Amino acid sequence: DIQMTQSPSSLSASVGDRVTITCRASQGISNYLAWYQQKPGKVPKLLIYAASTLQSGVPSRFSGSGSGTDFTLTISSLQPEDVATYYCQKYNSAPRTFGQGTKLEIK
Amino acid sequence: QVQLQESGPGLVKPSQTLSLTCTVSGGSISSGGYYWSWIRQHPGKGLEWIGYIYYSGSTYYNPSLKSRVTISVDTSKNQFSLKLSSVTAADTAVYYCARGFSSGYYGYWGQGTLVTVSS
Repeated sequence: DIQMTQSPSSLSASVGDRVTITCRASQGISNYLAWYQQKPGKVPKLLIYAASTLQSGVPSRFSGSGSGTDFTLTISSLQPEDVATYYCQKYNSAPRTFGQGTKLEIK
Repeated sequence: QVQLQESGPGLVKPSQTLSLTCTVSGGSISSGGYYWSWIRQHPGKGLEWIGYIYYSGSTYYNPSLKSRVTISVDTSKNQFSLKLSSVTAADTAVYYCARGFSSGYYGYWGQGTLVTVSS
C-alpha cells in the first residue's frame, strides 16, 4: 500500500507568516490528493482536493500544489484561526490513506 | 445539505463486537455516486481510514483491519453500519462516518462518536 508522509510533524509560526506543509507519497498518485484541517475538538474539514482545487468557502490564503509524489499546502499569511492539525489524504485508489498530520501553532 | 450522524454504544467490552450506525439525511444513499465510509481517530492521534461501501453493497476495507471489519448498507433506512469484531483497547477511538465523492475525498463528515473498549 502507498504510504503518505507529512513534514514537519509540528510547526510554530507567527501571524502573517507564510507556512508550508509537505506531503510525500511512497508511489505516484497523480493529483489524487486532498488536504483537511482539523481544529481542536472538531471534525476534519476539507480544504483542497485534486491537489490544488480550493473547496468552496475556504479562504484564498490556502493553496495546494504538486503532482506525482510530492505535494505542498501553503498558507500565504497565517491567521490565528488557522491553528489546527492538517492532514493530507491520497485517493487514487483504496485504501485512502491519510498522512500522520502536521500540528500548526502560533508563535 | 447532507448530514451524517453516528450512533451506537460508547463502551464495548474487550473481545466483543463494536457496532455503529451512520444515519444520512439530506440525501439518499441509493442515489449513487458516493462512497460511504468509516474513519477513526485514536485519542490524540491521526486519522485512520477503515473502509467504504457503495450503495450497491460493494466494499473495500483497510488491509490492516480487513479480517475484523464489516460495513453494510440499509438503503431503506438510509443508513450504513460498521462492525468491528474482537476489539481490544487499541480500538478505542473516535469513529467518524463520512461521505466520499466518487473520486475519493471527503466533503461531509459526521460529528464522530467516541467508543471506549474496556471491561
